[in-house]
Amino acid sequence: DAKTTQPPSMDCAEGRAANLPCNHSTISGNEYVYWYRQIHSQGPQYIIHGLKNNETNEMASLIITEDRKSSTLILPHATLRDTAVYYCIVGTGANNLFFGTGTRLTVIP
Amino acid sequence: NAGVTQTPKFRILKIGQSMTLQCTQDMNHNYMYWYRQDPGMGLKLIYYSVGAGITDKGEVPNGYNVSRSTTEDFPLRLELAAPSQTSVYFCASRPGQGVAGELFFGEGSRLTVL
Repeated sequence: DAKTTQPPSMDCAEGRAANLPCNHSTISGNEYVYWYRQIHSQGPQYIIHGLKNNETNEMASLIITEDRKSSTLILPHATLRDTAVYYCIVGTGANNLFFGTGTRLTVIP
Repeated sequence: NAGVTQTPKFRILKIGQSMTLQCTQDMNHNYMYWYRQDPGMGLKLIYYSVGAGITDKGEVPNGYNVSRSTTEDFPLRLELAAPSQTSVYFCASRPGQGVAGELFFGEGSRLTVL
């Protein structure tokens, strides 16, 4: 299974865009990129996913490079409630999703 | 909808005791999963089920058992608890259609084995 590399932590000023990078250089052609977040000790929450194209929903945007070896999750206007651990995951389905240690995003007032 | 409900939220066990973590979902999802999360770590898949009567092992199944007699329920059984099973356990589910990796998680069950 392809694995991902994320920075362990990032800070972002409230109201600014938070750009969370992820490297997945060994991703296979049929593997999706998924993003989840985990606020404090709650259960993880699905954010967005993509295969090749950039995607946007009400929570975030996902930018995937053309070679699919990396991606960026963008929270356009970060709020204090976006402080969480963000997981970048690649896989073909839920049975092979590998949750690493993610990026701890701290939104600063 | 309540979503995915896990009980108990907290439990302390002595070494060698057994217990069952309960998980139920009211979304009529076919797929259900059990993960564990050790402090400061990511989630690891213990067992999963693609429908009633069907279960399969994940990455770390040793020391656990599951059953899936109904669509709604997916209990996780710990036999002969060990300190290494101290962890937070998350149950998740997803429908049979739609995004294969979009899971709906419960709030977790925090287990301590002393």
